[in-house]
Amino acid sequence: EVQLVESGGGLVQPGRSLRLSCTTSGFTFGDYGMNWVRQAPGKGLEWVGFIRRKAYGGTTEYAASVKGRFTISRDDSKSIAYLQMNSLKTEDAAVYYCTRDQGDGNNAKGDDYWGQGTLVTVSS
Amino acid sequence: DIQMTQSPSSLSASVGDRVTITCQASQDINNYLNWYQQKPGKAPKLLIYDASTLETGVPSRFSGNGTGTDFTFTISSLQPEDIAAYYCQQYDNLPLTFGGGTKVEFK
Repeated sequence: EVQLVESGGGLVQPGRSLRLSCTTSGFTFGDYGMNWVRQAPGKGLEWVGFIRRKAYGGTTEYAASVKGRFTISRDDSKSIAYLQMNSLKTEDAAVYYCTRDQGDGNNAKGDDYWGQGTLVTVSS
Repeated sequence: DIQMTQSPSSLSASVGDRVTITCQASQDINNYLNWYQQKPGKAPKLLIYDASTLETGVPSRFSGNGTGTDFTFTISSLQPEDIAAYYCQQYDNLPLTFGGGTKVEFK
């Protein structure tokens, strides 16, 4: 059974940093690209970024709203994806979902499996 | 960025009704479109990919259609468990972008 479990959310002050983890099981993690998607309270879904599988360099893509502040990485030996969030703003407050991309690991195609999400609150 | 315009933003229907949601892309996205269902307090679930292909295990009352810029999502006979928000998402180009969502409620 495919499982994705996010952790690391919580309350953080504006300007501070937070790192989210996505621990996965039930599939060969290294064969897939991974996305992060967020949802502000009562709002719609927003794609945050994508990391390719190592076979395609493990390179990353980001939404303009987080580029330069957020970094996605992966540890294939542990089947974990990470989202490092720096210089957090109040508008970054959201539930953050880790997702498995349904594509070939190079071209993002959207999300066939989702974690349960972790809440990030940004407030002083 | 490709803008996805989804309508209506909400609708009320009765059990057994046919429900249709539309999604319009700001440019041609071929058939690179997903539809998701999100129940309250839960993560979204992929229902349809490639605009019209049903994900494994998804009931056949759900369907998708369209190509280019105009897409539809249909529930042929609304069931109580279908009360949720529905989102379209294009994957023709990065950034991946979602429609604003449609909240389906009971009349």
